[in-house]
Formats: sequence, C-alpha cells, structure tokens
Amino acid sequence: EVQLLESGGDLVQPGGSLRVSCAASGFTFSSYAMSWVRQAPGKGLEWVSAISGSAETTHYADSVKGRFTISRDNSKNTLYLQMNGLRAEDTAIYYCAKLLRSIFSQPPLRFDCWGQGTLVTVSS
Amino acid sequence: DIQMTQSPSSLSASVGDRVTITCQASQDISNYLNWYQQKPGKAPNLLIYDASNLETGVPSRFSGSGSGTDFTFTISSLQPEDIATYYCQQYNHLPPTFGPGTKVDIK
Repeated sequence: EVQLLESGGDLVQPGGSLRVSCAASGFTFSSYAMSWVRQAPGKGLEWVSAISGSAETTHYADSVKGRFTISRDNSKNTLYLQMNGLRAEDTAIYYCAKLLRSIFSQPPLRFDCWGQGTLVTVSS
Repeated sequence: DIQMTQSPSSLSASVGDRVTITCQASQDISNYLNWYQQKPGKAPNLLIYDASNLETGVPSRFSGSGSGTDFTFTISSLQPEDIATYYCQQYNHLPPTFGPGTKVDIK
C-alpha cells in the first residue's frame, strides 16, 4: 500500500525558515516524480513545487520561486521542502503527492496519492 | 497560467439526486483534466483522470466528460459519503492549476 507521511509543520515567525518532510513507502520511490501542494485555511489547492524521480529536475510556482527548495533522498525514501523567507501568505497545510511518472513535465500529470498534510503557520 | 473556474461554488442536494459540476479552462486543455474529492479534514483523492476515466476503486456513480475548455463532473446518485469539496485540475500547461472547488452538501 502506498503511504505518504508528512512531518515538520510548525509555527514560524515571518522571515523565518522551516523544512518539512514526507516519508514514502509501498512503492519504488525513485521511479516517481513527487510534488508539494498546499492549501491555505478554508481555501483551495495550490501546486507549489515538484521534483523528478532522479532529482535532476525541479519546478516551482512563481509564488515560492527563490524562497523554497524541493529535494529528495531516494536512499531514505523521503521528500523535503526547505522554506526560507516565510510570509503570512505561506500559511497552509502542505501535502506531498505522488505523480504518475518519473518526469514531472511528462503527461499525464496526475496526483494519484496524497499524504495527510502538515500545517505550517507563519505568524508573529 | 491557465485559469480554471468551477460552478456552482456550492450546492445542496438530496440523497439519490443527480449532481453535476462544471469546470471551465481559460484556454484549450484537450482532455488533460483531473477531478479530485476532498472530504472535510482529509487529503484530496483522485477520482477521474484525463477528463473521463475512473480511477481504480472509485464507485461507478462518479463520471466525467468534456474536452477543450468545458468539462462536466457528475454524481449519478448522491450518497451521504459524497459530502466533500470537488476540484478540477488541468495539466495541459505547466504549472498545473486547480479550480476553486465545489462544495457538495446533503439537503
């Protein structure tokens, strides 16, 4: 059974940093691109970032480009999101999601498994 | 970025009713559209991919159709466990973008 388990969410002050993680199991982690999707309180879904299975290629939403860094450790079956320069508008539940293929930009692009999410709150 | 709109934003229907949600893209996305269900307090779950294909394990009362810019999601007979918010998502152009969601309640 495919499982994704996020961790690391916390209360952070504006301008601060935080790293969230996603532990994967039940599939060959290195064979699939992975992504982060966030959801602000009471709002809809926003794609944040993605990384290819080999970690060679990364993609970012304009709203986080230059502040967030996605990475993965295929030996540990773990996905990461390093968030720097956090802003109040980054407050959200951060979900990790598995993609169908190893390359993010290669269609079809669907998020076929999601974790339960981890809450990041940016506030003073 | 491709903008996605959904209507209605919310609806209430009775158990057994047929429920229809529409999703419109700001430009042609072929059939590169997925539908997700998000139950309260839970993560989203993929229901329909490529506009009309049912994900494995999803009940057959759920269906999707459309291509180009206009898409439809249907629940043929609403059940109490279908209370959720439903999102469309396009992937014809990066970045992938989601619609604002349609909240479905039981009347």
